[in-house]
Order: sequence, then structure tokens, then C-alpha cells
Amino acid sequence: TQLLEQSPQFLSIQEGENLTVYCNSSSVFSSLQWYRQEPGEGPVLLVTVVTGGEVKKLKRLTFQFGDARKDSSLHITAAQPGDTGLYLCAGVGGPGGGNKLTFGTGTQLKVEL
Amino acid sequence: NAGVTQTPKFRVLKTGQSMTLLCAQDMNHEYMYWYRQDPGMGLRLIHYSVGEGTTAKGEVPDGYNVSRLKKQNFLLGLESAAPSQTSVYFCASRPTGVGGYTFGSGTRLTVV
Repeated sequence: TQLLEQSPQFLSIQEGENLTVYCNSSSVFSSLQWYRQEPGEGPVLLVTVVTGGEVKKLKRLTFQFGDARKDSSLHITAAQPGDTGLYLCAGVGGPGGGNKLTFGTGTQLKVEL
Repeated sequence: NAGVTQTPKFRVLKTGQSMTLLCAQDMNHEYMYWYRQDPGMGLRLIHYSVGEGTTAKGEVPDGYNVSRLKKQNFLLGLESAAPSQTSVYFCASRPTGVGGYTFGSGTRLTVV
């Protein structure tokens, strides 16, 4: 059973387009993290959101944590080829307790010229 | 540069062989983790450690053992490799408190 479901699973868009990736769960998390992973490398932390309803911006990326702390979204404005990669959400402090991360299923993004 | 270093980067094993994957971090992090990443399955936790000399089972521990004799090192062992253990293995560490994980660049293991 996958606790965190991401959608879409794959996304191929043109440079300049906007996109939103969703991360949904039936479980409550104390915080949620987003990572980006490039081929042949490990995931790299982008942001941590802690408070329900919190919105964080990182240049063209906007992250939101749901009010009930069960879901999150990542919005990219004016996507660039450098945004290409696998985006992973990860919940902290889920049903297993503690500070272990539960990773989502991932969204593979490709931005073409 | 500070970070998490995994060795080896690639390895091919025959069924039944054993091997040890090494993870080293130089950030003085208390917590260390071993994950495996498979297509369509995401990252799944194998074992983890909350400090030197401690280990605990994660989501998919069967067929693996770990040791954390030194704070900076976390070893993952496969006693008798099986084709189902073909995967990309990632080590990660993090400090105490709320913080993100720092991942290594992975070990791609193929068991034939």
C-alpha cells in the first residue's frame, strides 16, 4: 500500500508552460518535503513545508501544504529544460511514527525546447 | 565537498554471492538510512540507524543486514544475493530535529 500518491506520473511539456504536481494521502504528516532527482544521482531536497496551509516559493516553484496536512502541491511557472527530472514528495511522521520519510510514487517531468 | 559517499557505484553479482555496500557521511549526522529505488515503486526504506551502534528495520528489510560501528559509516550487506535484489540503492543521512535528508549518488546493483 502506497501512502503517498503523486499525479501525474509522467508529464511532458514545452518550455514556458506552467504545471502542477499533486501529492495526496489519507494520512496526516507532521511535515512534507519535496525532492528533485536527476538521472544517476540521489534526490536533492527542494523544500520542507511544516504548517497546514503553508505556501513556500522558490523562484519559479511554489509549494503548498494542505490545511489538513494530508496533501501537497508543487506548481512550476514558465518551465525550463533545467526543470526536467523526477519530483518526489515525502511525508515526515506518518503512520509509522518518528521522523522517517515516506516517499511518494514520483512524477517524471520532461521540459522540451 | 561535504556529503554522502557511496561505494561502489556499480556492481554485478551472481545469485548467491554476498557483498557489502558502504556509505560514509562527513556531516556528523546522527541518522542514516538505506533505501532501494525500483521503477514504479518509489524509494523504499530497507534499514535505518538513529545513532552509532543502533540499527532498525524499515519497510523491506528481508535479505539485508546493516551495521553502524562508527557514526560516519553505515554498511548494507547482502548475504546471499537474489535477482529480486537488483535495484538502485541509496544511502541518506540527516541531522537531529527537523531537516532534509542528504542522499548519496547511489549504487546500481544487478544480480544475475
